[in-house]
Amino acid sequence: KQEVTQIPAALSVPEGENLVLNCSFTDSAIYNLQWFRQDPGKGLTSLLLIQSSQREQTSGRLNASLDKSSGRSTLYIAASQPGDSATYLCAVRDSNYQLIWGAGTKLIIKP
Amino acid sequence: EPEVTQTPSHQVTQMGQEVILRCVPISNHLYFYWYRQILGQKVEFLVSFYNNEISEKSEIFDDQFSVERPDGSNFTLKIRSTKLEDSAMYFCASSPEGVNSPLHFGNGTRLTVT
Repeated sequence: KQEVTQIPAALSVPEGENLVLNCSFTDSAIYNLQWFRQDPGKGLTSLLLIQSSQREQTSGRLNASLDKSSGRSTLYIAASQPGDSATYLCAVRDSNYQLIWGAGTKLIIKP
Repeated sequence: EPEVTQTPSHQVTQMGQEVILRCVPISNHLYFYWYRQILGQKVEFLVSFYNNEISEKSEIFDDQFSVERPDGSNFTLKIRSTKLEDSAMYFCASSPEGVNSPLHFGNGTRLTVT
């Protein structure tokens, strides 16, 4: 059974720092991996989608990597800003086409 | 940019009552989903819907749950007889294509069962 883990559960860094959020999954048979952002009381905003055949995807200050064989993905945020404060979730599309979610990393960027 | 919209934003109901959660997916999307997130827990898949029928459903989606696309725009989730443990945030999502396209989520409906 696919399980998705995100470490750390919470992270607080000063504004301007580059940071990395981690996501690991137990079964490498995935179709894709998606990173989301969740703001309090709001829905989930898709940030990046990496297909199983891809190694990375970039959008602005965000870069997501995927190492399927080791069951890992990272989300790199460059030059962090207070507006980046949110909970970041990763989710993998498993071999049954279902989206399996991590518990998220709560990120706080201190001004 | 087109959005997925959900109503109501918050629904309070008594145990045993029926509730209908409403969603308007993005207009040219073909795949529709419901997820839920119990407070402090992971997001969980409930059901996916394509071509006017359920394509996948989870163990959570038992006989108390049903989905419907009554017209060309709305997508609803019905819970027939709510239980306390149904209290959660319910998210609707849509995507233009299948599993290889990103999901677009609404802001959710917070369901509180008392």
